[in-house]
Amino acid sequence: QSVLTQPPSASGTPGQRVTISCSRSVSNIGTDYVYWYQQLPGTAPKLLIYRINQRPSGVPDRFSGSKSGTSASLAISGLRSEDEADYYCAAWDDSLSGWVFGGGTKLTVL
Amino acid sequence: QVQLVQSGAEVKKPGASVKVSCKASGYTFTSYGINWVRQAPGQGLEWMGRISATNGNTNYGQKVQGRVTMTTDTSTNTAYMELRSLRSDDTAVYYCARDGAPYTSAWPPEDWGQGTLVTVSS
Repeated sequence: QSVLTQPPSASGTPGQRVTISCSRSVSNIGTDYVYWYQQLPGTAPKLLIYRINQRPSGVPDRFSGSKSGTSASLAISGLRSEDEADYYCAAWDDSLSGWVFGGGTKLTVL
Repeated sequence: QVQLVQSGAEVKKPGASVKVSCKASGYTFTSYGINWVRQAPGQGLEWMGRISATNGNTNYGQKVQGRVTMTTDTSTNTAYMELRSLRSDDTAVYYCARDGAPYTSAWPPEDWGQGTLVTVSS
């Protein structure tokens, strides 16, 4: 069981806005800096959001991140069929001196 | 451009060892750390550990601590991950992934290899 909890699934129709949450269960995980990855089927993960709400170059502004208390969220607006993928949150674990990932959320575009 | 090219798929018997390589190009190898992340079939991502290519320092995840060794060869810009005493639940795709920023472990992996499938089966 991951220390970062995500819903296992989410769905939406084209054009809709979908949000995926990520909540921490232990205090040593910093949600001050939360990162989001997108993993398309059969491919390596791709960094989508860093430091809560920053996008690497090339990531559309349809993707945004936010934080509230001990939870972080990824929002995808103007949903497209190509957004159908698995999404993972990640954070640095001070006690582990390493990275922890959420369990992942499978996004289905209906 | 940054490229991480991993070695090919492996099939191993329980109790054996596997060594996966990750050849880097397109950047100064010794300025970044290399993380290893694995993904069991149909499952999520699991961080296994990280090695600094600057000084060879390592941090390993709790689940593989004691069975894993990560090394680098700066003469060939290649990172290696060796996992010993393999079990069936080690069956996974293993990814190498470069830190997103130089000289720090506090930036998440940003550039990833293509993945190496390791199958453990008798």
